[in-house]
Amino acid sequence: GNSVTQMEGPVTLSEEAFLTINCTYTATGYPSLFWYVQYPGEGLQLLLKATKADDKGSNKGFEATYRKETTSFHLEKGSVQVSDSAVYFCALSDQRKTSYDKVIFGPGTSLSVIP
Amino acid sequence: NAGVTQTPKFQVLKTGQSMTLQCAQDMNHNSMYWYRQDPGMGLRLIYYSASEGTTDKGEVPNGYNVSRLNKREFSLRLESAAPSQTSVYFCASSDYGTVSYNEQFFGPGTRLTVL
Repeated sequence: GNSVTQMEGPVTLSEEAFLTINCTYTATGYPSLFWYVQYPGEGLQLLLKATKADDKGSNKGFEATYRKETTSFHLEKGSVQVSDSAVYFCALSDQRKTSYDKVIFGPGTSLSVIP
Repeated sequence: NAGVTQTPKFQVLKTGQSMTLQCAQDMNHNSMYWYRQDPGMGLRLIYYSASEGTTDKGEVPNGYNVSRLNKREFSLRLESAAPSQTSVYFCASSDYGTVSYNEQFFGPGTRLTVL
């Protein structure tokens, strides 16, 4: 079945460092791919998404490119801030195979940014 | 526009006690979901309701029941709580079927401890 694998961390970076969180997926169809972010004490919220191969999702300085050939959707940011400290979840969804928004989440990567 | 709301935020139960977690959304979404979040395991779907009047089991339904009271409200009931149900519970909603991919909107979560 469909699955998502991502580096679990925790990841600790200094402010203004470059961030990469790796995510790879397994899917038989043509999934949409997402990154969700969970700030401390809050629920998840969508950070960015891509719906087809070679699409680039971007938001708040974060980017991720849908790479079908490597089945990857790595999250990157050029210069992290303390306010980016959160847990990041890679996820996929393939509506064509289900009657609801079935979303498969990775285990999450905890990021701490220190001043 | 409050989005997705959940009550309570925190709860401590003794083994064998029952309780109901409440969830409501004000976005007129047709689909609603209950997830549990455990360390290192991401989010796992407990039950979902694709539309008003329907409910179905997700990945980990044992020990839980749900009610889709109306389009806005979707409750999760633990009939006889067990320590294995200690977790953070998230309710989410989405507007399945209106576009080819759908964002799920999450509530702030309920942190449940079963002693």
